[in-house]
Amino acid sequence: AQKVTQAQTEISVVEKEDVTLDCVYETRDTTYYLFWYKQPPSGELVFLIRRNSFDEQNEISGRYSWNFQKSTSSFNFTITASQVVDSAVYFCALSPYNTNAGKSTFGDGTTLTVKP
Amino acid sequence: EAQVTQNPRYLITVTGKKLTVTCSQNMNHEYMSWYRQDPGLGLRQIYYSMNVEVTDKGDVPEGYKVSRKEKRNFPLILESPSPNQTSLYFCASSLDEADRDTQYFGPGTRLTVL
Repeated sequence: AQKVTQAQTEISVVEKEDVTLDCVYETRDTTYYLFWYKQPPSGELVFLIRRNSFDEQNEISGRYSWNFQKSTSSFNFTITASQVVDSAVYFCALSPYNTNAGKSTFGDGTTLTVKP
Repeated sequence: EAQVTQNPRYLITVTGKKLTVTCSQNMNHEYMSWYRQDPGLGLRQIYYSMNVEVTDKGDVPEGYKVSRKEKRNFPLILESPSPNQTSLYFCASSLDEADRDTQYFGPGTRLTVL
């Protein structure tokens, strides 16, 4: 069985602060995918990133960066110089790579509030 | 415009009255999936489909049915809705299950079962 834990239920920061959202996962699969999604107050779901378990390179996209550490089963998400528009619920998710590749497990989400 | 559409967007119904929530994508995606979102529980996968006529259960399939007769459509069927199926439902699609570099979500369907 798969499990994704986002221990931080809510985070509040002031604009321009850096913030890291934690994601810890459990899986018996040796290869898998990890995802991050954003859900702004308007309610839609926005895909942010997918990582393969065999690629541990960190990734940076503008103010967003992701740190994948297989040794600690973590896939953390950092927003640098946060902005009010970053306020949203962020979900981390996991799915197998081969068998049951279509099956996804989400964490409960972290609500990020960025205050001006 | 690439998109996933869901209908209806809002629905209030009564216990036991069969309903269908439609999902359609215009990107020729093979993979489609249904999720429900409940406060404090994140998103939970109901069913997914790797391709036409291929469907499989997610984590919470009880009380739901799906079908994938055409590539573009993946309807979610509640044969006998109950109040515990009151939720926000999302449909999603991507090119295939192994190449989900970009996953598209529908706008959501808010269902209330009285």
